[in-house]
Amino acid sequence: DAMVIQNPRYQVTQFGKPVTLSCSQTLNHNVMYWYQQKSSQAPKLLFHYYDKDFNNEADTPDNFQSRRPNTSFCFLDIRSPGLGDAAMYLCATSKSPGLAGGPVEQFFGPGTRLTVL
Amino acid sequence: AQSVTQLDSHVSVSEGTPVLLRCNYSSSYSPSLFWYVQHPNKGLQLLLKYTSAATLVKGINGFEAEFKKSETSFHLTKPSAHMSDAAEYFCVVGGSYIPTFGRGTSLIVHP
Repeated sequence: DAMVIQNPRYQVTQFGKPVTLSCSQTLNHNVMYWYQQKSSQAPKLLFHYYDKDFNNEADTPDNFQSRRPNTSFCFLDIRSPGLGDAAMYLCATSKSPGLAGGPVEQFFGPGTRLTVL
Repeated sequence: AQSVTQLDSHVSVSEGTPVLLRCNYSSSYSPSLFWYVQHPNKGLQLLLKYTSAATLVKGINGFEAEFKKSETSFHLTKPSAHMSDAAEYFCVVGGSYIPTFGRGTSLIVHP
């Protein structure tokens, strides 16, 4: 089945120790998103890729970086995790709306739960 | 500009009774609307989406939602709640590929 895969599902890191979360997709979607979700809150968009074009949300801290080496893979790098970065990180994909527009459904991975000690 | 308001942070029902989760939206153009469900420590799963083909949209697991333009609402309903419906529900509006999420409604189902 076509899907969005995130690894690892659970990640524990130490304060200030860099960490990388990965996302892969078999849907061949050209848009990929990274969201941060804290307990009992809605997902917060960190950035997204439209094909190779990187789009950073204005309030995403510089501590968060991303790489998309090809259509299928996308990585979230946290350079120096703080205690406040502990959260669920969700990867999602979608097709672009195309010339006709219309609803763009997002497909989510299962998430990576990050714990910072 | 677009926004979405989920009117209840928590909804509590008994098993077998109807479910109503309320969502109002604001959009400067014809919106696309979605409901997603998230079970604990899981990703988001699409329940249903409004495509402008029909105002009453049927989704998975017996859920449906009605698009009411005059009321700018897209409320989610289910005739009879099941214990497995206990989860977080998000209403999402998106006229492009960057959607806007509501804050979420936690559905609690009592035996």
